[in-house]
Amino acid sequence: KAGVTQTPRYLIKTRGQQVTLSCSPISGHRSVSWYQQTPGQGLQFLFEYFSETQRNKGNFPGRFSGRQFSNSRSEMNVSTLELGDSALYLCASSSGDREAFFGQGTRLTVV
Amino acid sequence: GQQLNQSPQSMFIQEGEDVSMNCTSSSIFNTWLWYKQDPGEGPVLLIALYKAGELTSNGRLTAQFGITRKDSFLNISASIPSDVGIYFCAGQIVTNSKLTFGKGITLSVRP
Repeated sequence: KAGVTQTPRYLIKTRGQQVTLSCSPISGHRSVSWYQQTPGQGLQFLFEYFSETQRNKGNFPGRFSGRQFSNSRSEMNVSTLELGDSALYLCASSSGDREAFFGQGTRLTVV
Repeated sequence: GQQLNQSPQSMFIQEGEDVSMNCTSSSIFNTWLWYKQDPGEGPVLLIALYKAGELTSNGRLTAQFGITRKDSFLNISASIPSDVGIYFCAGQIVTNSKLTFGKGITLSVRP
């Protein structure tokens, strides 16, 4: 059974640009959550999607958005990038009632 | 927001030793999870706990869900070099809600 797949693995963007990250969950999992990991703040919850609907949202500005498709694949978008958005962005998938499994993450560097 | 407390930030042990890590919270959680993260990778689920007082093992790892629902511990027995990494605890208030993470403990194992 394939795990959670995140693409791309690494990304370098310039301040002010926007970026889209992709996550394919484990087959059969309908819940996808996104987390931001930085050395200072640790792992912080961004949002969670279930059956194409945002079900939970963390305390991040509106520049951070996401969506989920009918095949459960999810994307997150960050607009007007800031230097502080540099982080490891992690996606986790869950069947909905059990534990979450993480992908390898996308390392975003904003210069 | 909520945060789980993990300390110390780093632990150094000798190969073959046992090590125990604690995770505490001022709030109640109904699910406790332990993850391990290697550099540049996503967190890998080690153990999931769903019931207060539950004691669960996974090979050389043993974790317990505290009776008060405000703490959990992870024990690693007979440590080996590949145990090196960052260990995170995570709590979940209700099924399908976001995960709240501790800051993690970096474990080093001296051969």
